[in-house]
Amino acid sequence: GQQLNQSPQSMFIQEGEDVSMNCTSSSIFNTWLWYKQEPGEGPVLLIALYKAGELTSNGRLTAQFGITRKDSFLNISASIPSDVGIYFCAGQNYGGSQGNLIFGKGTKLSVKP
Amino acid sequence: EAGVTQFPSHSVIEKGQTVTLRCDPISGHDNLYWYRRVMGKEIKFLLHFVKESKQDESGMPNNRFLAERTGGTYSTLKVQPAELEDSGVYFCASSSRTGTIGGYTFGSGTRLTVV
Repeated sequence: GQQLNQSPQSMFIQEGEDVSMNCTSSSIFNTWLWYKQEPGEGPVLLIALYKAGELTSNGRLTAQFGITRKDSFLNISASIPSDVGIYFCAGQNYGGSQGNLIFGKGTKLSVKP
Repeated sequence: EAGVTQFPSHSVIEKGQTVTLRCDPISGHDNLYWYRRVMGKEIKFLLHFVKESKQDESGMPNNRFLAERTGGTYSTLKVQPAELEDSGVYFCASSSRTGTIGGYTFGSGTRLTVV
């Protein structure tokens, strides 16, 4: 089945630093999504990417959909303590009865004040 | 509007016992999904309901897992008998339209520990 390789697995950074994480796949997705999960909560959608090559920002977050449709990255600028959590990439193919998400293993982010 | 509600938030059971997880989707959402995350692994799709019908159950691990959605409202996921490898966090999500692009709302999950 389809799999996503997400890296890095974890990051320990100082407040104010920039963060970058990425996902790659051996197969194509129509949509790439980035989620954040905080302790005790479910994943919350941060950014959705719909077109190959698309670059989208949401506040301090920026994500890009790779031109080959097989990869995506997420950048967080000027990190703050509340950025702590697990970030998941997810690929989605839709149409017909489809729509389920294929997730990466997550990047655990720790921010030191 | 109320979000997706899952109950219980935590469950610790012994191997061989039965556990039933419940999910209440957002009111009016026809699509309901179950996902599971085993520690350190990716979140994996289990199955998808459209109203009371199972649209896709290709992710269900084995026949020890039974999902139902009677009346097309809330859903239950029963594990019987539970095994150690069933431990993990079970997430439910709902959406208003099939194949909604990124339009899922996830619940907070049920953390299941089988000892």
